[in-house]
Amino acid sequence: NAGVMQNPRHLVRRRGQEARLRCSPMKGHSHVYWYRQLPEEGLKFMVYLQKENIIDESGMPKERFSAEFPKEGPSILRIQQVVRGDSAAYFCASSPEQGRQETQYFGPGTRLLVL
Amino acid sequence: GEDVEQSLFLSVREGDSSVINCTYTDSSSTYLYWYKQEPGAGLQLLTYIFSNMDMKQDQRLTVLLNKKDKHLSLRIADTQTGDSAIYFCAESLYGNKLVFGAGTILRVKS
Repeated sequence: NAGVMQNPRHLVRRRGQEARLRCSPMKGHSHVYWYRQLPEEGLKFMVYLQKENIIDESGMPKERFSAEFPKEGPSILRIQQVVRGDSAAYFCASSPEQGRQETQYFGPGTRLLVL
Repeated sequence: GEDVEQSLFLSVREGDSSVINCTYTDSSSTYLYWYKQEPGAGLQLLTYIFSNMDMKQDQRLTVLLNKKDKHLSLRIADTQTGDSAIYFCAESLYGNKLVFGAGTILRVKS
């Protein structure tokens, strides 16, 4: 059973470009969470999604950031017009549809560097 | 409010026990977690405890929860060099988002 997969693992963008981060949850998991980790800090919650629905986006910046989890395919975190302050590690986690919903399993992260 | 605090750094000798402490503020937390992060890697779930429990043991790991003081600790017995990593405490709110501490760097000296 493959774990949570994220790609790319590393992404370099220039200021003003767009960044697209992908997350495939573990098999059988229908809940996806995105977190951001700034250098030398803990993870901060961004958004919680289920298939085709955004459940909680209280941690998402109001502008330039969006997330989706379509019926088919991975979850996407999209950052438009990136700025240097967006440089961070972005982690995706997933949890099961039933049973231990609250246990979140994390992917390896995407490390975004904005030049 | 939501706030999780941890000490920043712990250094122990190989074979000793390590105790990493964490305090949290939200009494409605349902689960509390310990994650391990090695350099350049993602977070590995180590263990968790339900909020109505006081203690949980899993091989070399012992979690103690003092709900009255909102204090959580992780004890690693017989610490090995491979245990060197950053350890994050996290609380689960309303079954959805996790609130993390800033992490404790554990350094194991051989």
